[in-house]
Amino acid sequence: QKEVEQDPGPLSVPEGAIVSLNCTYSNSAFQYFMWYRQYSRKGPELLMYTYSSGNKEDGRFTAQVDKSSKYISLFIRDSQPSDSATYLCAMTRSNDYKLSFGAGTTVTVRA
Amino acid sequence: DTGVSQDPRHKITKRGQNVTFRCDPISEHNRLYWYRQTLGQGPEFLTYFQNEAQLEKSRLLSDRFSAERPKGSFSTLEIQRTEQGDSAMYLCASSAGGDEQFFGPGTRLTVL
Repeated sequence: QKEVEQDPGPLSVPEGAIVSLNCTYSNSAFQYFMWYRQYSRKGPELLMYTYSSGNKEDGRFTAQVDKSSKYISLFIRDSQPSDSATYLCAMTRSNDYKLSFGAGTTVTVRA
Repeated sequence: DTGVSQDPRHKITKRGQNVTFRCDPISEHNRLYWYRQTLGQGPEFLTYFQNEAQLEKSRLLSDRFSAERPKGSFSTLEIQRTEQGDSAMYLCASSAGGDEQFFGPGTRLTVL
């Protein structure tokens, strides 16, 4: 079993919809959580970085962490066609440097 | 552009050949990482440098792989005697000591 499991998708939503992306993890030592966006044939781009349970908001993006359930989520409000990409969750331990990634969820926002 | 850069962006080679990739991190970032990403999967950690010291290598990094960061700035990743299973996107990332890693565009390797 992988340390990080991500809902596989793909997801296809109409423009303006809320996109919900989820990851679960098995290692309780993970303390820092990230969401990356990756366009086709490009490198991952850091979207959100959190280290505590609760919600963090940045514009249309909200990252949610529940350490007790080992569950993290990313919500995209008012989705746009430009949000069409693969979204990767990633996490790491305190004082560690290796990121452990989920397999990614591909999202398509239809105009 | 002051982001992470990688060269080449694409490499096609024949099985058995050696290839070398270069990564230039964000200026003054002391940490540099290599990851490998295959189709439909997330990146997997390969190795990590703090300044010029290589501090960890994943078991994914067989003895055909070698990475260097000679002056604590740019890094190279060499694959000797390439195999078809080496076909992947090779990603470089850098950080300033914190946990926020910034990725380059990647080098896509195809081994025929």
